[in-house]
Parts: sequence; C-alpha cells; structure tokens
Amino acid sequence: EPEVTQTPSHQVTQMGQEVILRCVPISNHLYFYWYRQILGQKVEFLVSFYNNEISEKSEIFDDQFSVERPDGSNFTLKIRSTKLEDSAMYFCASSRQGANYGYTFGSGTRLTVV
Amino acid sequence: ELKVEQNPLFLSMQEGKNYTIYCNYSTTSDRLYWYRQDPGKSLESLFVLLSNGAVKQEGRLMASLDTKARLSTLHITAAVHDLSATYFCAVDIGVGNKLVFGAGTILRVKS
Repeated sequence: EPEVTQTPSHQVTQMGQEVILRCVPISNHLYFYWYRQILGQKVEFLVSFYNNEISEKSEIFDDQFSVERPDGSNFTLKIRSTKLEDSAMYFCASSRQGANYGYTFGSGTRLTVV
Repeated sequence: ELKVEQNPLFLSMQEGKNYTIYCNYSTTSDRLYWYRQDPGKSLESLFVLLSNGAVKQEGRLMASLDTKARLSTLHITAAVHDLSATYFCAVDIGVGNKLVFGAGTILRVKS
C-alpha cells in the first residue's frame, strides 16, 4: 500500500536554528498538509498546499514557517528560527482528488528544540 | 469555526465489555474520519464516513455518522487488550480542506 514517507524520524536542534522537515507524499495525491501534535495533546492543522501554493494556514503557521514542493515529489516544512514551544511531532499528510478518499498520514518527525 | 469534541477523553475497560466513544462537531459536514494512534506512532486510518447514516465495521469496531445530529460514534464490541490506543475523530468540510481533530480518547483495555 502506498505510504507517505517522512524524514528524519527524530531531530534535535538548538533554539534559534533552522530546521527542514521532509515528506514524500503519495505520488498521485494532489493535496498536501502539515499537522503537528505537541506531546499528549491533540493534532493541530498547520498548512495545506495545492497546485503549488498554500491553500490555507492556521494561526500557528506564522512567518517562521514556510512550505515548499521543490521538485514535484518532496514536500518540505521549514522552521526558520526554532523555539522551545516548537517541540512536537510533525505529521505530513496527503489526499487525492475526489470526495471519497481520506487522508494518509506519514510516520511523523519528532522535533525536539533544546 | 469548526469545533470537534470527543467524549470520554479517557476510557478504562475490561476485556470483553462493550463501549461507545462519541464525537460531536459544530458545523455542517458529512465527512468524518476515525484514526487510531499508538504511543509515539502515526495516525492509522480506521474509518472514512462520507454520508448521513454511514455505518462501517472492521473487526470489533463499528463507526456511524448522523450528520443531522452532527454526531459520530465509535462502538467497541467485546474489547480486547490490542485495542488499547488513542482514538481520534476528525472532520473536514470539503475535499482539500483541513481536518479538525477532536482531543482524542485514550482507551485502556484491562485483562
């Protein structure tokens, strides 16, 4: 079964450093998303991406965050200057065109900011 | 703004018992999803419910959707230890739209 692949699985970074989280969505999917989950809390939407542009973003997705689909297969989330409160599990997801399909989530990247 | 509420947030059950998790949402939608999450792991899709009255079953789990009441239920029949996990419901309001998650229900099945 097709999978959404995320790398790295775990990243530790110093506060103030830039991080890039990488995702390879399922190849025939057209909608891409980033969500995050702070430990023990619910899953929160960050941003959705369609047709090479952001279609929606949440209040969490401020100027420190950006997304790119640089080469038609990878989908990246960049955090420019990490804060302690950015520590969370970040999930990439993708979905197909059409009303009858759900969302496939990647295995996640655990980001720890120290 | 779409809000999704689950209850209970924590459920401790004996093996062999039945129970139901409830998911209410605030805005008209006929698209609701149930996910399972094991500790430190990703979200595993359990059910995709896309119409009023939709009912789906997989093993000991059955999910239903009542769009008029804005309510979905996840019913657990004869629980077994392997069902211990966190269960999330999530709603979106259209293709390509964001998913809004409930807080999750932590299920512990005791032997």
